[in-house]
Amino acid sequence: KAGVTQTPRYLIKTRGQQVTLSCSPISGHRSVSWYQQTPGQGLQFLFEYFSETQRNKGNFPGRFSGRQFSNSRSEMNVSTLELGDSALYLCASRPAGGGAGEQYFGPGTRLTVT
Amino acid sequence: AQSVSQHNHHVILSEAASLELGCNYSYGGTVNLFWYVQYPGQHLQLLLKYFSGDPLVKGIKGFEAEFIKSKFSFNLRKPSVQWSDTAEYFCAVNEWDKIIFGKGTRLHILP
Repeated sequence: KAGVTQTPRYLIKTRGQQVTLSCSPISGHRSVSWYQQTPGQGLQFLFEYFSETQRNKGNFPGRFSGRQFSNSRSEMNVSTLELGDSALYLCASRPAGGGAGEQYFGPGTRLTVT
Repeated sequence: AQSVSQHNHHVILSEAASLELGCNYSYGGTVNLFWYVQYPGQHLQLLLKYFSGDPLVKGIKGFEAEFIKSKFSFNLRKPSVQWSDTAEYFCAVNEWDKIIFGKGTRLHILP
């Protein structure tokens, strides 16, 4: 099976712009979670989607949003970018019935905000 | 809210040395615990997990971890490290349906 894929892999944006990141889960996985990884804060949970519904949400401002499509692909959007949004954004999927920790991660999208 | 502490941010060892990385979580009850590893240039991947039963769990590549409920700890161990173990290691705990990660420990193995 193909793994979790994320596009684009690298992105450079300017403060104030908005960005959309995409994630395709492993075939058959219906849960998709998003994380922000930075050197200072480590991995922080953004949100999780299951069957097109947001099931969990972390402590991020409303500028961070996401959605999931009927084919389980997910997108994450960040509006009004700030310098502090520079990070590696990871997507993870897990199978139905899989425990919360049994997640399969993608390679990430490296976002740089200038 | 649940939190995870990893005591060492950066560890440097020589090959064949023994390894122990500390991990503590903030409160008890029923928890599921995990160690993830991120090798240079690779995806984050699950190293081992504890759900219930034997508190000593074995993972891939010779790693093991011991769950000590009274200490809220889940330390990762390996008796003899190899250069290929150079990576960043993350301890994690579930909170309901979310995973809370520690800030990671960078392990550097000297050949």
